[in-house]
Amino acid sequence: EAGVAQSPRYKIIEKRQSVAFWCNPISGHATLYWYQQILGQGPKLLIQFQNNGVVDDSQLPKDRFSAERLKGVDSTLKIQPAKLEDSAVYLCASSLELPTDTQYFGPGTRLTVL
Amino acid sequence: AQSVTQPDIHITVSEGASLELRCNYSYGATPYLFWYVQSPGQGLQLLLKYFSGDTLVQGIKGFEAEFKRSQSSFNLRKPSVHWSDAAEYFCAVGFNTDKLIFGTGTRLQVFP
Repeated sequence: EAGVAQSPRYKIIEKRQSVAFWCNPISGHATLYWYQQILGQGPKLLIQFQNNGVVDDSQLPKDRFSAERLKGVDSTLKIQPAKLEDSAVYLCASSLELPTDTQYFGPGTRLTVL
Repeated sequence: AQSVTQPDIHITVSEGASLELRCNYSYGATPYLFWYVQSPGQGLQLLLKYFSGDTLVQGIKGFEAEFKRSQSSFNLRKPSVHWSDAAEYFCAVGFNTDKLIFGTGTRLQVFP
């Protein structure tokens, strides 16, 4: 069974630029999550989709971050414009349905904002 | 407020020694409890989880964890650590069927 795929693996941009991350979840998984993991911290949920609807985006900085999940499968997370404090690893995860189902994580995208 | 605490930021053990990583939570009812491991440059991998039933849970790679309601704890243990266990370990807690809240992690170093 293929795992959660993410791209790119690394990205370096300058502040005020925009960036987009892509995630392909495990086939059949209804729920998709984007987490932000700042160095030295645990992952923090940014947004949770169930199929193509948003379940929780309470911690997504909506003035600069946006996410979509077209057709309930792949998802993209965008930052525009980026700030220095956005430097982090962005993790995508998927689960069958509920957050308490096992979440399977992708390898993450390491973003550096200069 | 709901919270998860991993009191140990960094632990160092010798290969072959036993290991216990601590996790405490704050919540009025029994939450769903998870331990994940993250190797450098990798995503998180589930080691084990507890929802209900037997409070001693067996996981992959020889790990186990014990849920203690009276102490609001879910500590991870391994009787004999291998060098390949060096990684970052995260406790995560789900309240009701809501989102997971992760602890800040414990970094494990293993000396030969």
